[in-house]
Amino acid sequence: QQQVKQSPQSLIVQKGGISIINCAYENTAFDYFPWYQQFPGKGPALLIAIRPDVSEKKEGRFTISFNKSAKQFSLHIMDSQPGDSATYFCAASPGSNDYKLSFGAGTTVTVRA
Amino acid sequence: DTGVSQDPRHKITKRGQNVTFRCDPISEHNRLYWYRQTLGQGPEFLTYFQNEAQLEKSRLLSDRFSAERPKGSFSTLEIQRTEQGDSAMYLCASSLAGGRGYTFGSGTRLTVV
Repeated sequence: QQQVKQSPQSLIVQKGGISIINCAYENTAFDYFPWYQQFPGKGPALLIAIRPDVSEKKEGRFTISFNKSAKQFSLHIMDSQPGDSATYFCAASPGSNDYKLSFGAGTTVTVRA
Repeated sequence: DTGVSQDPRHKITKRGQNVTFRCDPISEHNRLYWYRQTLGQGPEFLTYFQNEAQLEKSRLLSDRFSAERPKGSFSTLEIQRTEQGDSAMYLCASSLAGGRGYTFGSGTRLTVV
C-alpha cells in the first residue's frame, strides 16, 4: 500500500511556465517531506525538503507548499527550463530515528522550449 | 570522495543465478540504505545499516536477499536464485546518523532473463 500518493503522473509545460506536482499522505507520524529529482540512468537527487512546522519553503525556482491539516504538500517549479525535464518524486519519513523514506510514484515533467 | 558509488551499473543474469552488488557510501556517512525501483515507480525501501549493524529489513526482502556491511564501510546486496520479478534498479543511499537527507548512488540495473 503506497503511503504517499502523487499526481499527476506526467505533465508538459512550456519554457517559462509553472510546474505543479501534488502529494498526499495518511501517516501522521511523517515529519520530513523531501522532493527528489531523477534523470534517466541516475539515482534520485535531493532537491528540497520541508518539515511540518512551516507552510512554505523556497529554494531558487523551487517551492514546497505544505498543508498539515489536509495532509498534502506540493512542489512548484517556477520559470520552468528544459533542463528541469526529469522525474520528480515526493517522499516522507517519520521521525524518532526512523528515517526510511516512503516515495510517491513519480511525476515526469517535460519542459518544451 | 565524490558520492555514493555502485558497482556494477548494469547486470544481466539468467534466471536462477546468484548476483551480488556493491555499494560504497560517502566515507563519513554511517547510515546506508538499499532501495529497489521498478520502471515507472518510486524507490521502495529494502533495508538499512547503521555502521555494520543491519537495523531493519522490509517485508519486500525475501529469504533470497541478503545484505551485509561487514566493516561499516561498503555494503553488498546478494540475490540468490534470481527470478524475473527481481528485474529492477537497485539503489544505495547513505547519510549521517540523524541526517534526514540521503545521497543516492546511480544504481545497479538488474535484468533477469
